[in-house]
Amino acid sequence: GAVVSQHPSWVICKSGTSVKIECRSLDFQATTMFWYRQFPKQSLMLMATSNEGSKATYEQGVEKDKFLINHASLTLSTLTVTSAHPEDSSFYICSARDYTGELFFGEGSRLTVL
Amino acid sequence: KQEVTQIPAALSVPEGENLVLNCSFTDSAIYNLQWFRQDPGKGLTSLLLIQSSQREQTSGRLNASLDKSSGRSTLYIAASQPGDSATYLCAVTGGGNKLTFGTGTQLKVEL
Repeated sequence: GAVVSQHPSWVICKSGTSVKIECRSLDFQATTMFWYRQFPKQSLMLMATSNEGSKATYEQGVEKDKFLINHASLTLSTLTVTSAHPEDSSFYICSARDYTGELFFGEGSRLTVL
Repeated sequence: KQEVTQIPAALSVPEGENLVLNCSFTDSAIYNLQWFRQDPGKGLTSLLLIQSSQREQTSGRLNASLDKSSGRSTLYIAASQPGDSATYLCAVTGGGNKLTFGTGTQLKVEL
């Protein structure tokens, strides 16, 4: 199946700093990528839909100024958590669809804000 | 609003047993349904994708069925192995290309 790579897999940062997470589709082009957040023992919560060449579509309750999404190319989307605080600590996962509609996920990025 | 429910929430079975995981959704207007597995601290691995026009898909020991009109899907795992232990998630894609995840079934296959 298709491969989606996410980097970094884990990051620890100080409160107030910004963290960027990258999501790449390695062997297919993805006009749309998705960003999720997952709390322990809970299912994935869709944060936003990243559209190549245009602004991301955010889900209700997700602060777009807090979670900046950029989808500059057909294979790369980035999520930047700005001025991170301990409550932003979570597991962030990205996904992308291939031409069949099948969805592939990255390995996730665990963010810990001290 | 689409709601996706999975039953049971947790399941523990001895190795070798055949088992069925259930997924139900409230809005039958879907484009496809996908089953995933998630290992602790990891991302999701796609298992099977069923398009709305299909009734079932098979991959190895896995078989997934879809009854769109009744809003149900099942994932059948044959001859379960300890390596099958994981959380299994179903997800449906509906209008606006929106994906809705189920609540998940945590499976443990014991030796």
